[in-house]
Amino acid sequence: GAGVSQSPSNKVTEKGKDVELRCDPISGHTALYWYRQSLGQGLEFLIYFQGNSAPDKSGLPSDRFSAERTGGSVSTLTIQRTQQEDSAVYLCASSLANRDRGQGYTFGSGTRLTVV
Amino acid sequence: KNQVEQSPQSLIILEGKNCTLQCNYTVSPFSNLRWYKQDTGRGPVSLTIMTFSENTKSNGRYTATLDADTKQSSLHITASQLSDSASYICVVSAPYSGGGADGLTFGKGTHLIIHP
Repeated sequence: GAGVSQSPSNKVTEKGKDVELRCDPISGHTALYWYRQSLGQGLEFLIYFQGNSAPDKSGLPSDRFSAERTGGSVSTLTIQRTQQEDSAVYLCASSLANRDRGQGYTFGSGTRLTVV
Repeated sequence: KNQVEQSPQSLIILEGKNCTLQCNYTVSPFSNLRWYKQDTGRGPVSLTIMTFSENTKSNGRYTATLDADTKQSSLHITASQLSDSASYICVVSAPYSGGGADGLTFGKGTHLIIHP
């Protein structure tokens, strides 16, 4: 597609439920990133996928968070047993390759998650 | 610890006026510095990216400066328009080392409001 697509755009869930957030990167982008943006805070790195390499999961805040990327394209971020502190905007970004060179690093519009 | 501090936190100016946003960072080693614009409910969109050797870069009415010696950057907006109302995020990149934290450090942003 023309841009990074995320769905749903908004999600309200009850505490304790599981949620799945989806990211469709730009076609041909081999790198995909998930970030969390809490109110009044900077973006927090969660996980990074690069091609077929093992993902960098160093930013995942707990074992309730997991992500996968199927076929090197679409990615799903799963949060199990959601807590109120998980409420945030979850942003996905994709890029061509080495992000240090700023290669077309493009963000999606995010999923606003509210845990009630 | 790598940090990016932005000021002011929020700013209100009248349409047509100029403004300057500040970004101070402690990230080392340094790869590049980026300014993003984030409209409400949207993902961040890149405005400029500067490497160590660049000290100014323009994108239309937006001009970014970088002083790598003092680790300071600014984003100057000329002849502001209502559509400039957004959050402006400073992001500093360290060379990605892999197997560890994401190489990007995000500021919390400056929330800019343009009044007619």
